[in-house]
Amino acid sequence: EDQVTQSPEALRLQEGESSSLNCSYTVSGLRGLFWYRQDPGKGPEFLFTLYSAGEEKEKERLKATLTKKESFLHITAPKPEDSATYLCAVQAPKNAGGTSYGKLTFGQGTILTVHP
Amino acid sequence: DAGITQSPRHKVTETGTPVTLRCHQTENHRYMYWYRQDPGHGLRLIHYSYGVKDTDKGEVSDGYSVSRSKTEDFLLTLESATSSQTSVYFCAISAWRGTQETQYFGPGTRLLVL
Repeated sequence: EDQVTQSPEALRLQEGESSSLNCSYTVSGLRGLFWYRQDPGKGPEFLFTLYSAGEEKEKERLKATLTKKESFLHITAPKPEDSATYLCAVQAPKNAGGTSYGKLTFGQGTILTVHP
Repeated sequence: DAGITQSPRHKVTETGTPVTLRCHQTENHRYMYWYRQDPGHGLRLIHYSYGVKDTDKGEVSDGYSVSRSKTEDFLLTLESATSSQTSVYFCAISAWRGTQETQYFGPGTRLLVL
């Protein structure tokens, strides 16, 4: 069974204080690892997809990295508008029948609060 | 944004009442998904569809059924709503943007079963 664990559950930062969020996973073959941002009352907003160990992707103050067992979301010099819940999810490969249904298994999320 | 809308956005219903939630997409994507999000459980897959009239169960499908008679619409039905189905329901589609595959989510439907 695929499992995703995110830590910490909550993180409070001062504006400009860089930090990292962790996503540890176990999956029977990784097809992709996804990062989302979710604001209260809204649907998850796509950030990144990572496919293989060593891969990195960046968007503004965010940088996602991937190893064989975990992914990190690095936040550099965060601003209050970066406050949100950050979700990590893994996607398993196609099933034996060949119909790729792309199920995502999500972690519980990390609630990030950035104070001015 | 993948042109996903959900209706209704909020609903209050009573135990035992049938409820249908609608997901509509405008970009002709093949794969569509229904998830529910609950505190302590995160997002969990209920049902998914890989084409018109092609659907299958996810990990929390008991008490739910789905239908997809048109590419653009994916319906989730609670045959007889229970309080345990109080949740936020999200529809998603799978799409490629350049070299990245991802799932884009709709705005969600908040359902309260009394």
